[in-house]
Amino acid sequence: AQSVTQPDIHITVSEGASLELRCNYSYGATPYLFWYVQSPGQGLQLLLKYFSGDTLVQGIKGFEAEFKRSQSSFNLRKPSVHWSDAAEYFCAVVNNAGNMLTFGGGTRLMVKP
Amino acid sequence: GAGVSQSPSNKVTEKGKDVELRCDPISGHTALYWYRQRLGQGLEFLIYFQGNSAPDKSGLPSDRFSAERTGESVSTLTIQRTQQEDSAVYLCASSPGGGYEKLFFGSGTQLSVL
Repeated sequence: AQSVTQPDIHITVSEGASLELRCNYSYGATPYLFWYVQSPGQGLQLLLKYFSGDTLVQGIKGFEAEFKRSQSSFNLRKPSVHWSDAAEYFCAVVNNAGNMLTFGGGTRLMVKP
Repeated sequence: GAGVSQSPSNKVTEKGKDVELRCDPISGHTALYWYRQRLGQGLEFLIYFQGNSAPDKSGLPSDRFSAERTGESVSTLTIQRTQQEDSAVYLCASSPGGGYEKLFFGSGTQLSVL
């Protein structure tokens, strides 16, 4: 069965610093991968997704992610973090049946001034 | 409405009581999902409705959990005889085409079982 692992439960970065959130997946075929952000008291918002093609995917809010098949990874990056980026981030992969998402455990990002 | 609406936003109940959580999907969305998010954990799939097809209940953790959906409208998640381990945020999501590509999430119901 497919699974998603986010090794970092909490990450703290300084405002203006670069960010990389790790995501590893387990899936037999070509995965469909997603990153979502959940701000306090709000629903999940899609940041970006990868289905095929260019392995570097651009998303909203200045985020990007790179699909690396050899490493089974789909890490999320941002060159310069803003205080408003403090939130919880979830990586997800489509399940084998192709009808729903399996989520990782999430990474909580804190931003220091 | 403009988005997925869930009610109540917060629910506090006593152990052993039944609770009902409501989800109003975006109009016209054929697919509806319920997920559970326990404190500090990821989202756990509960149940999936797609149009008039039989729901996928494979994620329901016990027979105390059930959900209904009338056509392509409102869904209700019912938890009977609540236990403390049921405390979590219950998230609803809908999508227009019955798939994962355009999932829209509600802001969730925070359930606390005392």
